[in-house]
Amino acid sequence: DTAVSQTPKYLVTQMGNDKSIKCEQNLGHDTMYWYKQDSKKFLKIMFSYNNKELIINETVPNRFSPKSPDKAHLNLHINSLELGDSAVYFCASSPNMAGELFFGEGSRLTVL
Amino acid sequence: AQSVTQPDIHITVSEGASLELRCNYSYGATPYLFWYVQSPGQGLQLLLKYFSGDTLVQGIKGFEAEFKRSQSSFNLRKPSVHWSDAAEYFCAVGRGGADGLTFGKGTHLIIQP
Repeated sequence: DTAVSQTPKYLVTQMGNDKSIKCEQNLGHDTMYWYKQDSKKFLKIMFSYNNKELIINETVPNRFSPKSPDKAHLNLHINSLELGDSAVYFCASSPNMAGELFFGEGSRLTVL
Repeated sequence: AQSVTQPDIHITVSEGASLELRCNYSYGATPYLFWYVQSPGQGLQLLLKYFSGDTLVQGIKGFEAEFKRSQSSFNLRKPSVHWSDAAEYFCAVGRGGADGLTFGKGTHLIIQP
């Protein structure tokens, strides 16, 4: 059983389109995250949710909107996609106060 | 603000040789420290972590790391690398919870036959 799963794994789309990435964790963790990994492999936190409540929004354009329907799911919706949004997006989860993050396999978004 | 520096962008090591990857951090309190590995096209897998106690921590795949508070370092070591160790290695710092972790820029490890 995959602990943190993301879909889709690959996404190719045109500029201006809207797309969503879904994430589910079956670890019972309270906190979930979205990280962006750019072409130079740099990982930067985008959002953090604790028990369905948004905690961190790290200077991310408001074209990006996370949604957490329950504490096991955290989806990422992106409006009006731009070339610079091309990246690998990682979902992760963590039990509160434990520090360790468990990552999904990533969703590679390519904007043409 | 917390930060992590991995000074080596690329490291090339011969198979069977020893390995040390460097990591320096800046953090206002006692940090939690982590090393993750990312194989091509994969997510990040935790190799080891330091929360407190013994400053030499053992991880999976034969890796270990040593926390040195005086040097603000958490270097990763392996006595003998295997071709399958070729990957991207990330050092991270943070207290976890809703703040997540701050990652270094990664070190790309290349294994020569």
